[in-house]
Amino acid sequence: EMQLLESGGGLVQPGGSLRLSCAASGFTFSSYDMSWVRQAPGKGLEWVSTISGSDNNTYYADSVKDRFTISRDSSKNTLFLQMNSLRAEDTAIYYCVKDGGFGSHFDYWGQGTRVTVSS
Amino acid sequence: QSALTQPASLSGSPGQSITISCTGTSSDVGSYNLVSWYQQHPGKAPKLMIYEVRKRPSGVSNRFSGSKSGNTASLTISGLQVEDEADYYCCSYAGSTTFRVFGGGTSLTVL
Repeated sequence: EMQLLESGGGLVQPGGSLRLSCAASGFTFSSYDMSWVRQAPGKGLEWVSTISGSDNNTYYADSVKDRFTISRDSSKNTLFLQMNSLRAEDTAIYYCVKDGGFGSHFDYWGQGTRVTVSS
Repeated sequence: QSALTQPASLSGSPGQSITISCTGTSSDVGSYNLVSWYQQHPGKAPKLMIYEVRKRPSGVSNRFSGSKSGNTASLTISGLQVEDEADYYCCSYAGSTTFRVFGGGTSLTVL
């Protein structure tokens, strides 16, 4: 059974850092692009970042570029999101998502981890 | 990265059909057949309903169908059921720079 389990969320002060992890199982992790998608309280979905499975190319939304870094450890089937210089507007549930094809669709979602940026 | 445009809310009665529109530009929806749709119930993770404009994942009811014309994609739900009440989001590939863009979401009420 496919499973994506996020961890690392919590409360952090503005300007602080946080590292999210996503443990994947039930599929060949290294073969697939993986993404992070977030949802601010009461708001819609926002694509954050994607890392390719084939060559580790990375892609970022303008809102997080130069502050967030996506990475993966295929030996441990784990996806990461390093978040620096956090702002109040980064407060959201962060979902780890498996891609169904390059630029195509998100076919499996984790349950999400909550990040709150507040003093 | 501007969001795709969806109606904020729609409603329908059980058994009816409804269509949710998703309007983008020639840089996203209009240029690629990579539009997907997601259903989200309150407090739950989103679920893929349609991908590549009109393909349905295994296990998704054939009451859900997708289409596209120009810069606008659509999700049609036929034979509305109470359990279809949820938020629906469209998403499109937008090229190698912008990459992905979501719609603002549509809250569907089944009266």
